[in-house]
Amino acid sequence: DAGVTQSPTHLIKTRGQQVTLRCSPKSGHDTVSWYQQALGQGPQFIFQYYEEEERQRGNFPDRFSGHQFPNYSSELNVNALLLGDSALYLCASSLVQLYGYTFGSGTRLTVV
Amino acid sequence: KQEVTQIPAALSVPEGENLVLNCSFTDSAIYNLQWFRQDPGKGLTSLLLIQSSQREQTSGRLNASLDKSSGRSTLYIAASQPGDSATYLCAPGDSGNTPLVFGKGTRLSVIA
Repeated sequence: DAGVTQSPTHLIKTRGQQVTLRCSPKSGHDTVSWYQQALGQGPQFIFQYYEEEERQRGNFPDRFSGHQFPNYSSELNVNALLLGDSALYLCASSLVQLYGYTFGSGTRLTVV
Repeated sequence: KQEVTQIPAALSVPEGENLVLNCSFTDSAIYNLQWFRQDPGKGLTSLLLIQSSQREQTSGRLNASLDKSSGRSTLYIAASQPGDSATYLCAPGDSGNTPLVFGKGTRLSVIA
């Protein structure tokens, strides 16, 4: 049973560019959440998608947007990249909170 | 707003020692609590999920307890090994698919 798959593993972008990160949830899961983790910090919630709609959002600017597809996979888009967007981006999937969350291996984004 | 604190921030122990990691949270109205392990630059691996109706969960050398009323959870690691070296994160969860809230974690080093 495949877990959560994220791509790419690493990415280097220039300030002002746009980036798209991808996530395939664990088989049977229908909810996808995205987190940003800066070095030495705990993960911070960006947003959550369920039934192809953004259901909840953390304290992140509109430069961060997302999408969920009918097969439950998801994308995270970040526009007008800033140096401060450099972080590990984690995707987590779940079915209902009762069973907890499963995380992917993350995408390391470096903005130069 | 849920806040999570993990003590100690860092811990270094000799191999074979038993140890306890502490997690406290401010809002005791939780549905469950999940403990994760994170290796440097990697994603989160779920270790244990404790439902609010349970007081503890065990998996191998790991035992997690939950005292919801006092807003505390502990992760006990028996007979620590160098392979246990990682950052350990706890995350209380509310009902439904509300996002997880993380602290900064405890960075554990087990010295051979």
